[in-house]
Amino acid sequence: GAGVSQTPSNKVTEKGKYVELRCDPISGHTALYWYRQSLGQGPEFLIYFQGTGAADDSGLPNDRFFAVRPEGSVSTLKIQRTERGDSAVYLCASSLTSLGEQFFGPGTRLTVL
Amino acid sequence: SQQGEEDPQALSIQEGENATMNCSYKTSINNLQWYRQNSGRGLVHLILIRSNEREKHSGRLRVTLDTSKKSSSLLITASRAADTASYFCATDAAGNMLTFGGGTRLMVKP
Repeated sequence: GAGVSQTPSNKVTEKGKYVELRCDPISGHTALYWYRQSLGQGPEFLIYFQGTGAADDSGLPNDRFFAVRPEGSVSTLKIQRTERGDSAVYLCASSLTSLGEQFFGPGTRLTVL
Repeated sequence: SQQGEEDPQALSIQEGENATMNCSYKTSINNLQWYRQNSGRGLVHLILIRSNEREKHSGRLRVTLDTSKKSSSLLITASRAADTASYFCATDAAGNMLTFGGGTRLMVKP
């Protein structure tokens, strides 16, 4: 079956611009997670959705970052006024339930010039 | 912040040899998961071991978990060149996020 998909695969933007990153989880998975991975490091948690609601957004670095999941399926991570330090690979994962295996998408590589 | 730490950070072995990677963590967990990543993208789930389990096998992979020492190990037997990748352990403490270590970069020479 189809895995987690993310679009775009690469995004290059200029400092100060707004970007949206999209995640399509595995069908039927209620839990959805966003992580960010900098070069040479492990992924770091950003936000977790259970259904439509953000159950834990403690990993969002500041108020320029926001994510939604309006219908409990597709999620969008939104970054306002991008900074060069936001450059990273943004990974999305989904799982059937919390405490289960998390299946990751291929990621979106964001480059802020 | 990252809870887990992998050891070693880098490992180079010959094809056919076994590779052992270790992971230590700091807080109580529900489960621990191991992932593989090629070329900085696409984390592939390898194995999940729950806090009440001590050992788990999947093909050429063997994972152990020692909750008293807050540590886990991943053993890859009879390694192949295709096993070359970065390997991460990740802990799930509250069912809401995974906390990853910094990874072990494994190179298997043909």
